[in-house]
Amino acid sequence: QKEVEQNSGPLSVPEGAIASLNCTYSDRGSQSFFWYRQYSGKSPELIMSIYSNGDKEDGRFTAQLNKASQYVSLLIRDSQPSDSATYLCAADTGGGNKLTFGTGTQLKVEL
Amino acid sequence: EPEVTQTPSHQVTQMGQEVILRCVPISNHLYFYWYRQILGQKVEFLVSFYNNEISEKSEIFDDQFSVERPDGSNFTLKIRSTKLEDSAMYFCASAPEGNEQFFGPGTRLTVL
Repeated sequence: QKEVEQNSGPLSVPEGAIASLNCTYSDRGSQSFFWYRQYSGKSPELIMSIYSNGDKEDGRFTAQLNKASQYVSLLIRDSQPSDSATYLCAADTGGGNKLTFGTGTQLKVEL
Repeated sequence: EPEVTQTPSHQVTQMGQEVILRCVPISNHLYFYWYRQILGQKVEFLVSFYNNEISEKSEIFDDQFSVERPDGSNFTLKIRSTKLEDSAMYFCASAPEGNEQFFGPGTRLTVL
């Protein structure tokens, strides 16, 4: 069974701090990884994709991938209350045909 | 910015009835997907569709489920005889090249 694991949280950070979200995956064949944000009652919204080892930055977001450790992370700098949501980690476990999601980490950014 | 759209936003049905959930993927995308999310649980893959045929399906996607692309814009999911446990949010997604998938707003299916 190909799994993606996340700590469910909640992860609470003060406004302006860095939020660090982590994810591990079991399928060594996965090559593509994604972070989605999901507000309560809404659909997943793609915020980052990462395909190669190392860091990828996009605005306040940085995704990190370590294929040897089967580990993906998302850093959110200067966290804002509007960042409060559940962050879903997903791995492509079907060669472009299928995403396997983790249970998500709930992030709360406090004023 | 182009978006995936889904209709209806909420569907209520009786157990044993057939339902069709509709999706309009982003126009230049080639890959289409259905996922579901039972309340409080993770997003689960159902099926992927490319070049007018199913590419992959999960064990959830049994004979009660089918997908169709009846024209150049719509992508549908049919559940032939709904069960109570089919109650969930159903999300359609599309991707330009089988990589980044963009999700629609979802259809909440309630089976009574």
